[in-house]
Amino acid sequence: EAQLVESGGGLVQPGRSRRLSCAASGFTFDDYAMHWVRQVTGKGLEWVSGISWNSGSIAYADSVKGRFTISRDNAKNSLYLQMDSLRVEDTALYYCAKGIWNDIYYYDLDVWGQGTTVTVSS
Amino acid sequence: QSVLTQPPSASGTPGQRVTISCSGSRSKIARNSVNWYQQLPGTAPKLLIFSNNQRPSGVPDRFAGSRSGTSASLAISGLQSADEADYYCATWDDSLNGVVFGGGTQLTVL
Repeated sequence: EAQLVESGGGLVQPGRSRRLSCAASGFTFDDYAMHWVRQVTGKGLEWVSGISWNSGSIAYADSVKGRFTISRDNAKNSLYLQMDSLRVEDTALYYCAKGIWNDIYYYDLDVWGQGTTVTVSS
Repeated sequence: QSVLTQPPSASGTPGQRVTISCSGSRSKIARNSVNWYQQLPGTAPKLLIFSNNQRPSGVPDRFAGSRSGTSASLAISGLQSADEADYYCATWDDSLNGVVFGGGTQLTVL
């Protein structure tokens, strides 16, 4: 069974950095694009970033462009999100999600983790 | 404000059929397919409909998606209490070069 487990969340001060990780299992990780989606408590879903199977295609939401960096290590079946210059408004539950095929333009997200919470506060 | 517009709430009684709409501009819904996600309370979202009207394995045929022009709809027939959840539409935005979600619709089964 395909599974995604996020980690790395926690309390961080504004302006500081945090790195999220997502460990994948139960499927051939390097066959699929991966995405990060976040959700503020009580609010809707916001797509953050996506990366293709070979890291050849990467895209970001305007709200995080220039501050966040998505990456993956196919040898480790892992997805990452490096978050720099964090802002209070980045506070959210961050989900890792699997696309249904290898490019980010296959944006149907068919497997989701349970999320990791990032709280940006002084 | 979301790029895709959904009603914030919807409701129905058990056994009823309800429809949730999702509207966007021509550069979005009309150009790219729409997905629907179901998020039960306290859980991660689940892909309910992809490519406008396709159901992943395991999703009952009570759930049906459609798209016409710049709007998409999710219809749920034979409403059950277990269907109480938030529902989100999503598509690819060519101008933003990314995925966009609707604001979500909270479905209540009365």
